[in-house]
Amino acid sequence: SQKIEQNSEALNIQEGKTATLTCNYTNYSPAYLQWYRQDPGRGPVFLLLIRENEKEKRKERLKVTFDTTLKQSLFHITASQPADSATYLCALVPSYNTDKLIFGTGTRLQVFP
Amino acid sequence: GAVVSQHPSRVICKSGTSVKIECRSLDFQATTMFWYRQFPKQSLMLMATSNEGSKATYEQGVEKDKFLINHASLTLSTLTVTSAHPEDSSFYICSAKTSLGLWNEQFFGPGTRLTVL
Repeated sequence: SQKIEQNSEALNIQEGKTATLTCNYTNYSPAYLQWYRQDPGRGPVFLLLIRENEKEKRKERLKVTFDTTLKQSLFHITASQPADSATYLCALVPSYNTDKLIFGTGTRLQVFP
Repeated sequence: GAVVSQHPSRVICKSGTSVKIECRSLDFQATTMFWYRQFPKQSLMLMATSNEGSKATYEQGVEKDKFLINHASLTLSTLTVTSAHPEDSSFYICSAKTSLGLWNEQFFGPGTRLTVL
């Protein structure tokens, strides 16, 4: 069956450290993958997109990697801050001929001072 | 830019009544809008995709007669939950996609919390 899995357990890290979140997928060959941030009671906010032919993408303190062999994407936040505390969702577009986003379950990140 | 609004943000209704949720793209024209549902501590589940002026495409397991979607203009889509029951209580989120800008980027609304008593 098709699955997108993120670590359901919360990730707790100290301010200033690098947070690394994992997204694994099964039985998909995604055209590209996106990462979103969601705060409680709010809609997701787009962060980064990476295409299947890209290995890495960066935006300020954020970095995303995409390994289509391992079927995995890693999302890194460097120099993390308490304001980065939120739930982070990965979402993939399963093919080039669709607009659908299939979301993972999300990982809650808690950055403490 | 690329702001999507939803109204209302919260709604409480009695079982058996219908509730309409609006989704608007405020500063762009949305060729496609999407409706998602999110239960507590779960991910967003796509319910349907709507294109302006045509019928919505529903995901498997979503009752089209219960969740009526109207995409009457390039800036407005509505979701009507008909004959709502307590199990329909959820967080409903819309998103909008434009043909311009980043390829396939979706802009999400702030969500509507529906509670059916």
